Amino acid sequence: DIQMTQSPSLLSASVGDRVTLSCKASQNIYKYLNWYQQKLGEAPKLLIYYTNSLQTGIPSRFSGSGSGTDYTLTISSLQPEDVATYFCQQYNSWYTFGAGTKLELK
Amino acid sequence: QIQLVQSGPELKKPGESVKISCKASGYTFTDYAMHWVKQAPGKGLKWMGWINTYTGKPTYADDFKGRFVFSLEASASTANLQISNLKNEDTATYFCAREYNSSFDYWGQGVMVTVSS
Repeated sequence: DIQMTQSPSLLSASVGDRVTLSCKASQNIYKYLNWYQQKLGEAPKLLIYYTNSLQTGIPSRFSGSGSGTDYTLTISSLQPEDVATYFCQQYNSWYTFGAGTKLELK
Repeated sequence: QIQLVQSGPELKKPGESVKISCKASGYTFTDYAMHWVKQAPGKGLKWMGWINTYTGKPTYADDFKGRFVFSLEASASTANLQISNLKNEDTATYFCAREYNSSFDYWGQGVMVTVSS
């Protein structure tokens, strides 16, 4: 099974900050990686698919990058509504989610 | 607009069974696979498996083989998840999610299942 490790588990940042969340796979997943945002009490929302493709309706301040085993979600200028937990998901071999990064305002 | 609407919260005793529904609207139900995802309280997301909505064939992740059954009522554009012989560790929110090109683009609102004696 492919394991997904996200870091940090908790991130505090200020409005306007550039924020970077990391996701590391236990083996090469060939860019088969999605990112989801989950706000408290809500269902997850798809942000980024296939490493760097922005889902329709998602603000352009969100971007994704990476290859091999290492992937990144970047928020270029943090907004108050971005407070949420972010999960990465690999689909190279079935599906596995990371444990999540909880993003809070400083 | 595309929607997945799930059934309401459930309170069950250990050993009982529960059936959760996920009704799709706004698209052709049989054109997209449906997945199920578990989220224990305060925890992350765990993929449970998926069902081919055209053939009805289910596929279960290893940790969800045995007591978990995915089924369809295709005429009603509804996917179901049944869990038998409930255990305390089944307490969680269960989401259905539509698959589009290997991503989950639409999600149900989730169903909280509480197992307690």
